[in-house]
Amino acid sequence: QQQVKQSPQSLIVQKGGISIINCAYENTAFDYFPWYQQFPGKGPALLIAIRPDVSEKKEGRFTISFNKSAKQFSLHIMDSQPGDSATYFCAASMLTGANNLFFGTGTRLTVIP
Amino acid sequence: DVKVTQSSRYLVKRTGEKVFLECVQDMDHENMFWYRQDPGLGLRLIYFSYDVKMKEKGDIPEGYSVSREKKERFSLILESASTNQTSMYLCASSLLDYGYTFGSGTRLTVV
Repeated sequence: QQQVKQSPQSLIVQKGGISIINCAYENTAFDYFPWYQQFPGKGPALLIAIRPDVSEKKEGRFTISFNKSAKQFSLHIMDSQPGDSATYFCAASMLTGANNLFFGTGTRLTVIP
Repeated sequence: DVKVTQSSRYLVKRTGEKVFLECVQDMDHENMFWYRQDPGLGLRLIYFSYDVKMKEKGDIPEGYSVSREKKERFSLILESASTNQTSMYLCASSLLDYGYTFGSGTRLTVV
């Protein structure tokens, strides 16, 4: 059973456009929601993360929007660049007990010059 | 920066072989994890460990075991490799702030 559902599976965006990747979860005990970026031949790297006490977090061109009531969160990449082309994974974990991250299935983003 | 090193980038093994995948981290992290990554399935947790000698099953432990004799080293063992274990294997470590650091992965092919 997939604890975190991610869409779309793939995304093609023109340079300068906005890339949006969506994730949804069911377990209301989750309280940490990171996004990971993975380039070919590399392991995933932490990009940005949010806790549920805020609805938005921005770091440069990357923004997480969080909707606690809908149990959804999304990654927005503003002014998308070809160098942003990668696979993006959302994830979720709990504060108490095991801190295992549950990952979405990934989104392959291609930014066309 | 934390570094997580996986001993092999590519491995080719025969069906039935016992396979060892090694992972070492250099920042004294308590937690270590083994995932496998398959297209369309994302990252699936195989085993994890919160301390030396400790291990816990993840979502897909069947056909795998692990060993953590030292804090910095976490080994994944395929007891008898099968073709359905052909995959990318990723090791990660973390402190209690939940930020994972991943290794570069080992692409295992079982023939």
